[in-house]
Amino acid sequence: GDSVTQMEGPVTLSEEAFLTINCTYTATGYPSLFWYVQYPGEGLQLLLKATKADDKGSNKGFEATYRKETTSFHLEKGSVQVSDSAVYFCALGGSNYKLTFGKGTLLTVNP
Amino acid sequence: DADVTQTPRNRITKTGKRIMLECSQTKGHDRMYWYRQDPGLGLRLIYYSFDVKDINKGEISDGYSVSRQAQAKFSLSLESAIPNQTALYFCATSTPGSTGELFFGEGSRLTVL
Repeated sequence: GDSVTQMEGPVTLSEEAFLTINCTYTATGYPSLFWYVQYPGEGLQLLLKATKADDKGSNKGFEATYRKETTSFHLEKGSVQVSDSAVYFCALGGSNYKLTFGKGTLLTVNP
Repeated sequence: DADVTQTPRNRITKTGKRIMLECSQTKGHDRMYWYRQDPGLGLRLIYYSFDVKDINKGEISDGYSVSRQAQAKFSLSLESAIPNQTALYFCATSTPGSTGELFFGEGSRLTVL
């Protein structure tokens, strides 16, 4: 079945540091890939997505590229801010539009 | 107002009690979902509904039931709550044209003593 494996946290960075959160997946067919973010006390919201191989999703300075050859969708940001502190979830969407989520990575950014 | 509204936001109950979590949406989406979030386990799908007459089990449906009362309303019930059902529950919606993007409510935190 479909599965998502993402980097275990927690991740603690200083402001302006470079961020990478690794995500790899197992799926049949050609899934869509997503990063969701959950700020403290809130529900999840879509951060970015990519629907086919080599697509790059981007939003709010975050980027991720759909790599079919390595079955990966790593999240990156060049300079994190305190306001980026949140839990980040990688997710895979199959043909039936159900999402399979990774376990989440807690990011804390210190001033 | 939120597009996807969950009630109650917080609930403490005792083992054996029946609990209903309600979800309503104003997005006009056909598809609705209930997920459960546990620390270190991510989100796991409990039930999903692609329209009013379509209800499907997710990966962890045992101990839960659902009702799709209308396009905009999808309720999750715990017939006899047990402590390991203590978790944060999320309702979500989607539309067939969204390539899988989900829109989440703010969550319902349930504690079973």
